[in-house]
Amino acid sequence: DVKVTQSSRYLVKRTGEKVFLECVQDMDHENMFWYRQDPGLGLRLIYFSYDVKMKEKGDIPEGYSVSREKKERFSLILESASTNQTSMYLCASRLLTSGRPSNTGELFFGEGSRLTVL
Amino acid sequence: GDSVTQMEGPVTLSEEAFLTINCTYTATGYPSLFWYVQYPGEGLQLLLKATKADDKGSNKGFEATYRKETTSFHLEKGSVQVSDSAVYFCALVISSGSARQLTFGSGTQLTVLP
Repeated sequence: DVKVTQSSRYLVKRTGEKVFLECVQDMDHENMFWYRQDPGLGLRLIYFSYDVKMKEKGDIPEGYSVSREKKERFSLILESASTNQTSMYLCASRLLTSGRPSNTGELFFGEGSRLTVL
Repeated sequence: GDSVTQMEGPVTLSEEAFLTINCTYTATGYPSLFWYVQYPGEGLQLLLKATKADDKGSNKGFEATYRKETTSFHLEKGSVQVSDSAVYFCALVISSGSARQLTFGSGTQLTVLP
């Protein structure tokens, strides 16, 4: 089974702190994603990465950056945390779909990291 | 653009009741369709999927049929249990497209009472 592991289930940080959320997958997936989930807003895409060292902004990238130095690891960085970044953060991965017609493109999610910024 | 519209919640049912959560979509191309489930405090898990018209996905007593003519993928279960209480997300993927072509519905909260 695919396993996507997020390093911290619960974090509490102070305004202005730099925050790292780590995500590791063990199935050699090319694509990785960071979402945030807020009540009433569903899942919103922050950043995604097609492959190592590649990244692209999602729908709400402001205040965030990412790093993908190794294929299995995708990090989300909050350079200066703010209270409006209090949220549940979900990492996901999947196989590259292009050129693989048998791959249906579903995402595999981690358990989530609940971040509270005080 | 692509979109998924889900039945708004919350939905509250008694144990052993019949469940339907409606999902309709608009998409260019030929999407694959998914239902994900999120139990309290956890990430999303794939519940079932269907990749072409008339396919039926099923898992854990849940079923959904890919209806191209009505652009729908409604989730059903004949007899719900308390343990089915969760948030359910409908989603579509255009498999040949870019990674951006992943679209989720807003989620439907289901509570099953004993």
